[in-house]
Amino acid sequence: DAKTTQPNSMESNEEEPVHLPCNHSTISGTDYIHWYRQLPSQGPEYVIHGLTSNVNNRMASLAIAEDRKSSTLILHRATLRDAAVYYCILRDDTDKLIFGTGTRLQVFP
Amino acid sequence: GAVVSQHPSWVICKSGTSVKIECRSLDFQATTMFWYRQFPKQSLMLMATSNEGSKATYEQGVEKDKFLINHASLTLSTLTVTSAHPEDSSFYICSARGIGTDSYEQYFGPGTRLTVT
Repeated sequence: DAKTTQPNSMESNEEEPVHLPCNHSTISGTDYIHWYRQLPSQGPEYVIHGLTSNVNNRMASLAIAEDRKSSTLILHRATLRDAAVYYCILRDDTDKLIFGTGTRLQVFP
Repeated sequence: GAVVSQHPSWVICKSGTSVKIECRSLDFQATTMFWYRQFPKQSLMLMATSNEGSKATYEQGVEKDKFLINHASLTLSTLTVTSAHPEDSSFYICSARGIGTDSYEQYFGPGTRLTVT
């Protein structure tokens, strides 16, 4: 399974943008980059995904490097409800999600 | 839409007994369900993948005779932890995807916290 590397934790102030990095140097050409987040004591929820192009949705933006060896999840204005563990996952054609250690995001008022 | 529920949300059982956890897709037909386990302060670990009407495929290192998975209908999968021991205490989470959902997304249940005494 292709592996991802993320910082253990990050901090942000409310209303500020947050850039969560992810390295995936062993990504294969057909792996999709998925981001999920997990709030305390809950199941994960889907945030965004992409293959090669940058993606935007109502929750976040995903910037993918040209060589696809890294990506960045962007929360444009962090809120207290965005405090969670964010997981960057490479999804192959088996449809399985193999979770790494994730980044714990703290948001301060 | 695409809601997944789990029952119970928490359970306490005695060592040596078995406990069943249910995972239901409420508003779609789940052709594939996944079971994960999460220990405190750790990430999710995929235990098995089940397709409706088929035997589950277990990840390496997961004992299939201890963690019995049944996916007999398109809306229900069950995980039975047999002869539970304290080291089986964990947060068990299911996810599902299927008919009427976005093909790229897995929908997760809220999790079941199992404590074995």
